[in-house]
Amino acid sequence: ETGVTQTPRHLVMGMTNKKSLKCEQHLGHNAMYWYKQSAKKPLELMFVYNFKEQTENNSVPSRFSPECPNSSHLFLHLHTLQPEDSALYLCASSQDLGDGNQPQHFGDGTRLSIL
Amino acid sequence: GQSLEQPSEVTAVEGAIVQINCTYQTSGFYGLSWYQQHDGGAPTFLSYNALDGLEETGRFSSFLSRSDSYGYLLLQELQMKDSASYFCAVLNQAGTALIFGKGTTLSVSS
Repeated sequence: ETGVTQTPRHLVMGMTNKKSLKCEQHLGHNAMYWYKQSAKKPLELMFVYNFKEQTENNSVPSRFSPECPNSSHLFLHLHTLQPEDSALYLCASSQDLGDGNQPQHFGDGTRLSIL
Repeated sequence: GQSLEQPSEVTAVEGAIVQINCTYQTSGFYGLSWYQQHDGGAPTFLSYNALDGLEETGRFSSFLSRSDSYGYLLLQELQMKDSASYFCAVLNQAGTALIFGKGTTLSVSS
């Protein structure tokens, strides 16, 4: 059982739709992350939040808009996406930032398909 | 910039030993992590090496040589359930999050 829950598990949307991905962590962690995982590519860091404040935006297009209302919840709002945005979107959390000895705990991801 | 290199695929049989290598280029190195991801699942933490040497955790061991910017994951007594992708990772330049290699797909056959 994972301490990080992502919904929905699968999402199919058209390029003009607006949808949101949700992530919730039950681990009492302070840091949360969004990653994108495409086939044959490494996990790509998108956003980093620490104590619900964004600390990093890894040059992500504005059609992806993150929101972190509190340390336990993280959203990724999607609008006007492109076919190349089809991927597995993974949420992760860790106790604090910047300590490799504190592992990042990942959710199972949302498989996103853009028509 | 930062980069991590690891083989794309490795195959082995049950009971065998497999070594997955990782070389990295990064400024401000903090340590090397390894994660496992089964098909359709979440990446899960396996090990972390901050210092040179071998760390052993059950059937899995991880090694780091900071002077060579090199590490490896050693899997012993392979089982079918070890078939998965394995990723090495380092902290990004800001020291805030992990940057991952492309992953090594391990296929274990009987």
